[in-house]
Amino acid sequence: KNEVEQSPQNLTAQEGEFITINCSYSVGISALHWLQQHPGGGIVSLFMLSSGKKKHGRLIATINIQEKHSSLHITASHPRDSAVYICAVRSGTDKLIFGTGTRLQVFP
Amino acid sequence: EAGVVQSPRYKIIEKKQPVAFWCNPISGHNTLYWYLQNLGQGPELLIRYENEEAVDDSQLPKDRFSAERLKGVDSTLKIQPAELGDSAVYLCASSRQQNTEAFFGQGTRLTVV
Repeated sequence: KNEVEQSPQNLTAQEGEFITINCSYSVGISALHWLQQHPGGGIVSLFMLSSGKKKHGRLIATINIQEKHSSLHITASHPRDSAVYICAVRSGTDKLIFGTGTRLQVFP
Repeated sequence: EAGVVQSPRYKIIEKKQPVAFWCNPISGHNTLYWYLQNLGQGPELLIRYENEEAVDDSQLPKDRFSAERLKGVDSTLKIQPAELGDSAVYLCASSRQQNTEAFFGQGTRLTVV
């Protein structure tokens, strides 16, 4: 079993839909990252959080430390949001442990 | 502020040939990471530097892979000789220090034929 599990693995949405991507982890962490990876490989850091909730534009990230669970929400989704979204946790030894990603496709 | 810069973006080589990747981290970032990402998978750590010291290279296949970070700034990752299974994206990331946000480069996509 992977230490970081994401669901769903693949997600298809119509433009304008509200999207949720989930991340569960099984190790102790000091922080959790949500990353966006576009075709071509570049990775962009969206959020780093260790508690509560963060919002940036149409993106919202929440984390529940007790339940070892985080969610990434996209409101009013747009085709340009199509990418792979990766959850990564920073362990106590400062290792970043990555999930396998959620591939999102948003159609007009 | 410039981000993490990697070169080349793409590299195609024949098996058994050597290859090198270069990474220039964000200025002032002490921690530098090299990751390997296979298709459809999350990145896997190869090596982590704190300044010029490799503090975690447990996942680096040392028979063919080597890395260096002279002067604690730029870093190179080398594979010699490359094998077909080394085809992947090699990502470099940096952070100001431990436990701070990491920023990623665009990656180098390696194809070994």
